[in-house]
Amino acid sequence: ELKVEQNPLFLSMQEGKNYTIYCNYSTTSDRLYWYRQDPGKSLESLFVLLSNGAVKQEGRLMASLDTKARLSTLHITAAVHDLSATYFCAVDRGQGGSEKLVFGKGMKLTVNP
Amino acid sequence: ETGVTQSPTHLIKTRGQQVTLRCSSQSGHNTVSWYQQALGQGPQFIFQYYREEENGRGNFPPRFSGLQFPNYSSELNVNALELDDSALYLCASSLSLAAQETQYFGPGTRLLVL
Repeated sequence: ELKVEQNPLFLSMQEGKNYTIYCNYSTTSDRLYWYRQDPGKSLESLFVLLSNGAVKQEGRLMASLDTKARLSTLHITAAVHDLSATYFCAVDRGQGGSEKLVFGKGMKLTVNP
Repeated sequence: ETGVTQSPTHLIKTRGQQVTLRCSSQSGHNTVSWYQQALGQGPQFIFQYYREEENGRGNFPPRFSGLQFPNYSSELNVNALELDDSALYLCASSLSLAAQETQYFGPGTRLLVL
């Protein structure tokens, strides 16, 4: 059974600081996704990582995938308050070509001014 | 281009009742997935529909059922509601089954079972 673990689950950081959050998964998969969720809102797609060594950047966020280590990282650079949200990673269960995602529990990020 | 929409936004039901939740896919999207998100948890995959056929199912009992219509809108039906069914129900649509296609999530329906 595919399990996805995120750590930390809660993070409080100051504006301007850097931090890396981690997503580990238990079985082979080449497809990993990062989503953001604001309180009471739906999920917003951040990154789709489809191969070993994939790296994608958008603004202050950069995501990478190491399929051999079954690990993805989401690096936050010079955090700002607007990044406060819950961040989920999700891994494709790999049943055929369809996206049947298994999500982690999410990492709640609070960026303090 | 309209995004994914869901209705209703909130719903209160009692144990044993039945509920139908609706989802309209983003324009041109033929694949719809449904997820259940309990409070403080990540979404859990319920099932997926591709061109009106079920294309995979998560670990949910048969009282969770679905439909996809020719216009690719979708319904999630839950029979014999239980207290633990209280959650945010999300649908997500994508352009196709291809792995590189992003899933776009709707705003969700928040269901409370009393």
